Amino acid sequence: GENVEQHPSTLSVQEGDSAVIKCTYSDSASNYFPWYKQELGKGPQLIIDIRSNVGEKKDQRIAVTLNKTAKHFSLHITETQPEDSAVYFCAASIEVPGANNLFFGTGTRLTVIP
Amino acid sequence: SAVISQKPSRDICQRGTSLTIQCQVDSQVTMMFWYRQQPGQSLTLIATANQGSEATYESGFVIDKFPISRPNLTFSTLTVSNMSPEDSSIYLCSVEDLGVAQYFGPGTRLLVL
Repeated sequence: GENVEQHPSTLSVQEGDSAVIKCTYSDSASNYFPWYKQELGKGPQLIIDIRSNVGEKKDQRIAVTLNKTAKHFSLHITETQPEDSAVYFCAASIEVPGANNLFFGTGTRLTVIP
Repeated sequence: SAVISQKPSRDICQRGTSLTIQCQVDSQVTMMFWYRQQPGQSLTLIATANQGSEATYESGFVIDKFPISRPNLTFSTLTVSNMSPEDSSIYLCSVEDLGVAQYFGPGTRLLVL
């Protein structure tokens, strides 16, 4: 089955700096890659996702890049703010309606220092 | 996206007892799932809650320990039976509609003493 690795496990950045979280996956058939943000005491919130037919997607300060050849994808957060502090999870799946093939990474705890 | 609520939000239970967690969605969805998130860990899929039929369990999870109901397209329950301290976790329901993204509820934080 799919194996998703995520690095780093913890990341501290100064407010205003950029943060990058990287994930690799093992199954070349995976075609959907969401990112979730989990704040303390809350459930995971979908913040951005990308499908394998594109290489990059942006939403304001957040961007995700995908390299299908190398089987890795990354989350980029620019101009970080203290409210970006949370645990971020990447995931990979083969999109099949009616089936759950979502495999999660181990998470990155991001701390933005004011 | 759908609005998902869970009850209870947290609970402290004695070992040997059972707890039923409810998941309510504000719109009809095709797929509902239950996950477990142990302290400081990632998410592990417990089962798919199937409307009108028995749930589909992942390896390592069994119906006797985690019975699941899904009477309609907006509601599901997960019961954690005969609890032990090892069952202390966050239990999350999620929904997916027509193959689009998966969205999570706020979670139920369970502590078993």
